[in-house]
Amino acid sequence: DGGITQSPKYLFRKEGQNVTLSCEQNLNHDAMYWYRQDPGQGLRLIYYSQIVNDFQKGDIAEGYSVSREKKESFPLTVTSAQKNPTAFYLCASSISTGQTEAFFGQGTRLTVV
Amino acid sequence: GENVEQHPSTLSVQEGDSAVIKCTYSDSASNYFPWYKQELGKGPQLIIDIRSNVGEKKDQRIAVTLNKTAKHFSLHITETQPEDSAVYFCAASKPGNQFYFGTGTSLTVIP
Repeated sequence: DGGITQSPKYLFRKEGQNVTLSCEQNLNHDAMYWYRQDPGQGLRLIYYSQIVNDFQKGDIAEGYSVSREKKESFPLTVTSAQKNPTAFYLCASSISTGQTEAFFGQGTRLTVV
Repeated sequence: GENVEQHPSTLSVQEGDSAVIKCTYSDSASNYFPWYKQELGKGPQLIIDIRSNVGEKKDQRIAVTLNKTAKHFSLHITETQPEDSAVYFCAASKPGNQFYFGTGTSLTVIP
């Protein structure tokens, strides 16, 4: 089945540790996105990528890093520099940026203790 | 950049009534307006979308209207059912650009 897969669904980390969230898609989409969702704040864009080996910062990129070495993969690293990392993280992909439906994964809930 | 505002933040309706969610956008170059439904603990799913060359689009009980002049668009759900209860997000975008999302509307349909 075609789709977008995020793993793991739940992730716990100690404060000060970097953690990488996985996002894989087999839809052959060029564009991929990472969003952070906090209660009452909607979806805030962290990073997006329009094509392999290229990515742009979103509205809240500080404390996060990404890579896009393969078309199907767009991992997100939450670094120790992110001051409030506990949140629900959503990955999405679309055929191209801004013009077609974005397909979302099921999300990763990260808790930092 | 684009700014999308969404109202109301919460909405409760009786089963069988209609629900309306409204969004405004600021960038007149935006030309694609999707609506997403998010159930608890899951990722958002597209329920309907509209492009700027169309004023209205309908899919069974769901419809979206777009007023380009006023820069606002609305989601209409008729004959609401308990399974319509969820958080709904509007978004706006233009070619080569990111999606800008509203802050969401939590819809509760009371049986």
